[in-house]
Amino acid sequence: SQKIEQNSEALNIQEGKTATLTCNYTNYSPAYLQWYRQDPGRGPVFLLLIRENEKEKRKERLKVTFDTTLKQSLFHITASQPADSATYLCALVLSYNTDKLIFGTGTRLQVFP
Amino acid sequence: EAGVVQSPRYKIIEKKQPVAFWCNPISGHNTLYWYRQNLGQGPELLIRYENEEAVDDSQLPKDRFSAERLKGVDSTLKIQPAELGDSAVYLCASSSRTSGSYEQYFGPGTRLTVT
Repeated sequence: SQKIEQNSEALNIQEGKTATLTCNYTNYSPAYLQWYRQDPGRGPVFLLLIRENEKEKRKERLKVTFDTTLKQSLFHITASQPADSATYLCALVLSYNTDKLIFGTGTRLQVFP
Repeated sequence: EAGVVQSPRYKIIEKKQPVAFWCNPISGHNTLYWYRQNLGQGPELLIRYENEEAVDDSQLPKDRFSAERLKGVDSTLKIQPAELGDSAVYLCASSSRTSGSYEQYFGPGTRLTVT
């Protein structure tokens, strides 16, 4: 069956450390993958997009990797801050001809001082 | 630039009652999406519009759900009659391929509680 798995348990880290979130997928061949941030009571907000032919993408303190062999994407937040506390969602898109996002369940990140 | 607007933000209804949600996308965005998000889950696509046309409604439970996007701008999602299992957050999103971007912009959602 097709699945997108993210850590269901919350990730708790200390301020200043690097947070690493995992997105694993099964029986999909995505053209690209997106990461979104969602705060309680709000809609998801786009963070980064990485294509199947890209290994790594960076934006400020954020870094995303994409390994199509392992069928995995890693999302890193360096020098994490309490304001980074939120739920992070990965989403697959299967082709460039469609905008259909297939979301994972999300991982809640808590950064404590 | 105004974001995606949704109303109401919260709705509590009894089962078997009808309910409607409204969405105003970002100006100029021709693609509009309705998602449902259950507690602790990621959003799931219900329907996608390109202008006025519903191009993907394969996940929409058509026996009780309906949607429309008049004039290719605002959209309404309706449930009639509602069931207990419809309790969820209903998210609207919009995007514009003409800008070269693949990101979707989400509204705050409508939290529906069916009692």
